[in-house]
Amino acid sequence: SAVISQKPSRDICQRGTSLTIQCQVDSQVTMMFWYRQQPGQSLTLIATANQGSEATYESGFVIDKFPISRPNLTFSTLTVSNMSPEDSSIYLCSVEEPGRGTEAFFGQGTRLTVV
Amino acid sequence: GDSVTQMEGPVTLSEEAFLTINCTYTATGYPSLFWYVQYPGEGLQLLLKATKADDKGSNKGFEATYRKETTSFHLEKGSVQVSDSAVYFCALSDRTSYDKVIFGPGTSLSVIP
Repeated sequence: SAVISQKPSRDICQRGTSLTIQCQVDSQVTMMFWYRQQPGQSLTLIATANQGSEATYESGFVIDKFPISRPNLTFSTLTVSNMSPEDSSIYLCSVEEPGRGTEAFFGQGTRLTVV
Repeated sequence: GDSVTQMEGPVTLSEEAFLTINCTYTATGYPSLFWYVQYPGEGLQLLLKATKADDKGSNKGFEATYRKETTSFHLEKGSVQVSDSAVYFCALSDRTSYDKVIFGPGTSLSVIP
């Protein structure tokens, strides 16, 4: 299965600033996704990161707040912009591998605290 | 749209007790079904999966059977251990929804000696 590396693993940020989270996969993958897990909650899909085109955002998430890049088939970034304490969450990168059907693999996540 | 419902937690069991965590789903297509587990302080891991009706997924003593007629995918284990303490998420992925994984709310399990 794909090995997914996320950086940073955790960070404490000041409100009003932005943080960019990186997701690196050790093999080419077709689908990459970004999820948010708020404290004590389940995972909510933020967007699908599309290679070579704009990300597809879920209801309630917008590009200005969560810009996403995916320059190639092994790398993506998620930026959390103009942060507020409500953005404190774990952010997870997820991938699906060619030939593995719809099974999703997850990175370890980035634990973000906004103060 | 697609959705997943799980039994409310937290669930507390004694070691060697039988575990059932109920999961039902709503989907427009023919989804694949998953159970993910999140151990304290760790990332999300796939526990088991089933891709079509009547398939049984199994791993580490856990089992779940894809029941299309009842739209269910209940997780069971015959004898839980303290090391099974974690949060369990039922999830589905549906090709008509571009393979997005939709998660249930999660069920926290604590196993006491």
